[in-house]
Amino acid sequence: DAGVIQSPRHEVTEMGQEVTLRCKPISGHDYLFWYRQTMMRGLELLIYFNNNVPIDDSGMPEDRFSAKMPNASFSTLKIQPSEPRDSAVYFCASRRSVFEAFFGQGTRLTVV
Amino acid sequence: AQSVTQPDIHITVSEGASLELRCNYSYGATPYLFWYVQSPGQGLQLLLKYFSGDTLVQGIKGFEAEFKRSQSSFNLRKPSVHWSDAAEYFCAVGPLGNEKLTFGTGTRLTIIP
Repeated sequence: DAGVIQSPRHEVTEMGQEVTLRCKPISGHDYLFWYRQTMMRGLELLIYFNNNVPIDDSGMPEDRFSAKMPNASFSTLKIQPSEPRDSAVYFCASRRSVFEAFFGQGTRLTVV
Repeated sequence: AQSVTQPDIHITVSEGASLELRCNYSYGATPYLFWYVQSPGQGLQLLLKYFSGDTLVQGIKGFEAEFKRSQSSFNLRKPSVHWSDAAEYFCAVGPLGNEKLTFGTGTRLTIIP
């Protein structure tokens, strides 16, 4: 298996623009997680899905953030409009049942 | 609320020396504990996990960790580090389903020749 695949790896955008981050989880995994990593706050769980259904989005910082999982093999995290303080590395992770999570390589987002 | 403390932000050790990274947790029930490693520009890779049973768990790359309930600790150890072990290490705690893992702030490990 190729693992969790995220795209793009790097994204530079101007403040106010819409940003969409993409994630393809490992086949057969029924949980998907979106994390954000910053120097100040470390790794934060933003939202997670179970069987494509959002279960807990309490970590989503603002209404500017939204996430979808239209099917078992694809998820998006969208920021609209983006702000410089959204600059971070965003990780997607997936897992099967109660087993450990596997992380993607992350998307480094820079908002200028 | 669950929390994880990694008291050492940065540790430097010589290649071939032993290593211990500290992790203390706060959790109201039986914790499920994990150590992840993150190499520069990469995602997190699971080193080892503790769910139950033997409190000394073996992981990949020669790492091991010991769960000590009385000290609320889950320290990571390696008897002899290699230059390739230079990375950031994260301890995490979560409930049975580990849906909401809480990560520590990480310990950056530097290896010197």
